[in-house]
Amino acid sequence: GAGVSQSPSNKVTEKGKDVELRCDPISGHTALYWYRQSLGQGLEFLIYFQGNSAPDKSGLPSDRFSAERTGGSVSTLTIQRTQQEDSAVYLCASSPRVGRIQETQYFGPGTRLLVL
Amino acid sequence: AQSVAQPEDQVNVAEGNPLTVKCTYSVSGNPYLFWYVQYPNRGLQFLLKYITGDNLVKGSYGFEAEFNKSQTSFHLKKPSALVSDSALYFCAVRDYPGGYNKLIFGAGTRLAVHP
Repeated sequence: GAGVSQSPSNKVTEKGKDVELRCDPISGHTALYWYRQSLGQGLEFLIYFQGNSAPDKSGLPSDRFSAERTGGSVSTLTIQRTQQEDSAVYLCASSPRVGRIQETQYFGPGTRLLVL
Repeated sequence: AQSVAQPEDQVNVAEGNPLTVKCTYSVSGNPYLFWYVQYPNRGLQFLLKYITGDNLVKGSYGFEAEFNKSQTSFHLKKPSALVSDSALYFCAVRDYPGGYNKLIFGAGTRLAVHP
């Protein structure tokens, strides 16, 4: 079946512009996670969705970052007034059910963001 | 707080030889451990996980991992390396309880398999 998809695959933007990154999880998966992969910080958690609500936003680095999820499916990560330090690969993952520690997270291919 | 460490930035091995990629963990409570692989310009692919049970876990592409509670380690192994195994490998621990099951990753180990 189809895996997690993300769009765009690559995004180049100018400093100060806003960007939107999209994630389509595996159909029926209720848990959705955003992570960021950067050279200096490695792989770090950003935000977690349980259905359409986000009980854990602890990894969002600043108030310029926000995310939403609609219909228990698609999620959008928005970065306002982008800065060069936002350049990274943004990865989305989903897992079938909420609250099950044995669940595997399945990752999308990522969006590579470059802020000039 | 939960954490994992991958002590080697890079591991070099000749094709056909056994490989080991090391991971140690620090958790409060039971460890829930994962290995992922990342090929160039790709997302993370799940290899295997330890939740409970047998200390030797078998996964995809011939990989296995050995859970050792006394040494707090979860090393990834393969009996005979292939050039196509060359990639970036991440060990991760589930942030549980209280962390909504998010994953905490190690820094990654680059595996280079030479013909």
